[in-house]
Parts: sequence; structure tokens; C-alpha cells
Amino acid sequence: RKEVEQDPGPFNVPEGATVAFNCTYSNSASQSFFWYRQDCRKEPKLLMSVYSSGNEDGRFTAQLNRASQYISLLIRDSKLSDSATYLCVVLYSGAGSYQLTFGKGTKLSVIP
Amino acid sequence: EADIYQTPRYLVIGTGKKITLECSQTMGHDKMYWYQQDPGMELHLIHYSYGVNSTEKGDLSSESTVSRIRTEHFPLTLESARPSHTSQYLCASSDLRTGPYEQYFGPGTRLTVT
Repeated sequence: RKEVEQDPGPFNVPEGATVAFNCTYSNSASQSFFWYRQDCRKEPKLLMSVYSSGNEDGRFTAQLNRASQYISLLIRDSKLSDSATYLCVVLYSGAGSYQLTFGKGTKLSVIP
Repeated sequence: EADIYQTPRYLVIGTGKKITLECSQTMGHDKMYWYQQDPGMELHLIHYSYGVNSTEKGDLSSESTVSRIRTEHFPLTLESARPSHTSQYLCASSDLRTGPYEQYFGPGTRLTVT
């Protein structure tokens, strides 16, 4: 079983739509969670961290459910520029080191 | 904006050649990483460093080696390239003081071994 699993998509949605991505992780000791965005043939960039209480940044809302080991990302009022692959990232730290584990990503295409 | 650079951006090379992929960052970050990513697949950590003279292997086995003689420089070397090494290699850096576990990625090197 993969450590971080995401629906690969693609999600093809019209402009203005609301779209939600889900992610599950297998290591219950994971401590921090993030969503990164990766444009085609580009490097990943941090989109937002995910806090236990859930957090919002403009049109983006991230939520964490530790009991179910589940993370979500909601994008409201989709823009063409939101088209990208969204990577779920989980951090585990211990014994003086830490490691990020990346999901395979969910591809989003926003259509005019 | 992150200041992390990788050269070359694209490299096509024959089997058996020795290659070095360069990665430099000007942010003074103490932690640096190398990831490998095949098209449509997830990133896999192959090497990391927590500071000068510190290097560790990541969760994906790799025939490459790395060195960290200077804080800003983290080159990756393949002694004898093979077609199975064809992939994208992404370098990243982070610093706990400036952003909790946020990693800044370079633009990547697309390596093709013929």
C-alpha cells in the first residue's frame, strides 16, 4: 500500500466550478501535511500547509481528518490558471530527521 | 521567490558516460535534497543533506552519489549513465528557520541516456 494515495484524475471542470481533491496517508504517526502545486514540466511549489482545524487561503480550503488519515483540498470558483497537478505531501519526523512523502498528484484541467 | 538553480536543464548523453548534475542555492539553507520524478509519477527522494559534509540516501535506491562540501552546492554524480537513469532530477532546499518544512525546488534537469 502506498504511503500517500491520491485520485490521479484528470479532473476536467468548467471555469467557476468548485472541485475537491482527496488524499489518504498510511502512517498514523505523520505529523504535518501540505498541498503542493506542480505545473506541467515545472517544479513543485508549496500551495498551502494543512492544519488540524482546517485552513483557508482565498479560494483554497484545506482540511485534515487525523482519525481517518485523510486530507482534502477544495478549490472554489476555479480559474484557468488553476490547471495543474496538485500533490498531497505528508511529513514524518523522528530521531532527528524528517522526510516528506509525496503523492502521485491529482491533475486538474479547468476548461473555458 | 526561491533562488535555487540547476544545470544543465536538459541533458542527452550516451550510455557509460560520467555525468554531474549541478544544484546551487543562494538562500543559505542548510538542508538540501535530490528527488527523481518519472513522467506522471510521484517524486522519490534519492539523497539528502542536513549540512556541510552530511549526506544520506533517501527512500529510493539510486546508483548516483552526492557531495556537500559547501552549504550552497549539492551536486549529484552518476559514474556510468544507463538508459534506466533517464528521468527528471529535482533539487530542493529548506530551512526550518524560514518556513516549517517548506521545500523550494529548482527547475529540474531532464536526463535522457541513450
